Amino acid sequence: GENVEQHPSTLSVQEGDSAVIKCTYSDSASNYFPWYKQELGKRPQLIIDIRSNVGEKKDQRIAVTLNKTAKHFSLHITETQPEDSAVYFCAANRNQAGTALIFGKGTTLSVSS
Amino acid sequence: GAGVSQSPSNKVTEKGKDVELRCDPISGHTALYWYRQRLGQGLEFLIYFQGNSAPDKSGLPSDRFSAERTGESVSTLTIQRTQQEDSAVYLCASSLKPMNTEAFFGQGTRLTVV
Repeated sequence: GENVEQHPSTLSVQEGDSAVIKCTYSDSASNYFPWYKQELGKRPQLIIDIRSNVGEKKDQRIAVTLNKTAKHFSLHITETQPEDSAVYFCAANRNQAGTALIFGKGTTLSVSS
Repeated sequence: GAGVSQSPSNKVTEKGKDVELRCDPISGHTALYWYRQRLGQGLEFLIYFQGNSAPDKSGLPSDRFSAERTGESVSTLTIQRTQQEDSAVYLCASSLKPMNTEAFFGQGTRLTVV
C-alpha cells in the first residue's frame, strides 16, 4: 500500500524567511497530493493541493512542487509569518478502487518574530 | 449541515467498555474517512467508505475496531473492549468524490480510556 514519508518533523524559522517541507510517496499510481494545516486544538484544513498532471502550483505565499519520477513533492512557504506556525501534513491517495488519503507524520513549523 | 459533524466531542470511558463514535458528513459527499490522531502524532488511516462499495478496512488496527455507514450518510466507529492505547482524537472526513478532491474534517472526538 501507499507509504508517505515527511521531513523534517520540526522546523523553526525567523519571520520573513522561507520554509520548505518535503514528502515522498511509494505508490507510483498516486495522482492527488494535498497539504493540510492543523493549528493547535483544531481540525486539519486544506491549504493547497496538486494533481499528477501538474508540476507546480502556487497560491500567494504558498507553492507546491511535484516530481513524479522521483515520487516526491514539497511545500514552500515564503515570507513566513507567526500565524503560519502550525503542524503541516502532506498526503497522497492510493489510486485504486476504494482509494483513501494516506498522510505523512507531520511537520511542526514554528515562526518566531 | 454546513460541515462534517462528529459526536460526542469528548468521551471518557473505562477500560474494557465499548464506545461508539458518530460522524455526519457533508450532504452529498460520497466518500467518508476515519482517522486516528494520538497526542502529538500524525493522522493514522483507519477505514474508508465510498458510496455503496465495500469499505477499505485496511487501516483498522485490530478486530476490536469496526465501522458502518448507512448509504451516503451517517457513519459510526465502534471500539469494543477499549484499551488505554485507544486514547486519541478520532477524526472523520468526507469528500465529494473518491479521488482528487478536498477532504473536509470534522472537529474530532477526543477519546480517553481510563
